[in-house]
Amino acid sequence: EIVLTQSPATLSLSPGERATLSCRASQSVSSLLAWYQQKPGQAPRLLIYDASNRATGIPARFSGSGSGTDFTLTISGLEPEDFAVYYCQQRSNWPLTFGGGTRVEIK
Amino acid sequence: EVQLLESGGGLVQPGGSLRLSCAASGFTFSSYAMSWVRQAPGKGLEWVSAISGSGGTSYYADSVKGRFTISRDNSKNTLYVQMNSLRAEDTALYYCAKDYTTSCCGGFDPWGQGTLVTVSS
Repeated sequence: EIVLTQSPATLSLSPGERATLSCRASQSVSSLLAWYQQKPGQAPRLLIYDASNRATGIPARFSGSGSGTDFTLTISGLEPEDFAVYYCQQRSNWPLTFGGGTRVEIK
Repeated sequence: EVQLLESGGGLVQPGGSLRLSCAASGFTFSSYAMSWVRQAPGKGLEWVSAISGSGGTSYYADSVKGRFTISRDNSKNTLYVQMNSLRAEDTALYYCAKDYTTSCCGGFDPWGQGTLVTVSS
């Protein structure tokens, strides 16, 4: 099973600041990595698929990069609605796995 | 508009069974693989099971293999999971999710609103 490790667990930032979230895989997942955003009481929402492709309707301030074992989700300027929990997920091998999440909170 | 609506959750005793359903609309159901993902209270996301668009191939997390069975009825645009031998650790909000693309390995989008399963005596 591929283990995804997300860091940091919590990121405390102010609106307008840049957020950089990391996801590291225990073995290569090529570019088959997705990122999701989850707000309290809501289902997750797909942000990025195939490591760097934004899903439909996702603002350009969200970007993904990386391949192999190291991936990054960047939010270029935090909006108030971006404070949430973010998960990465690999689609390379069965079973599919998620990272433990990074909480982006208001500083 | 793509919609996924789960149902069938509830309170069940350890060792019991439950069948969840996910009614889909707004897209060609048979063209997309579908998955179940769960989230224990206050915890992260755990993928549970996936099934191909035709229903001919399915996959399971080790934690549910042999106890859960995923299936779909493409004539009814509905996804199911039969959950047997339920344990306390199966307590979670269960989401169904659609593959984002018809080809392999993009993400899940959208997700349903979830149905809560509680396993307790």
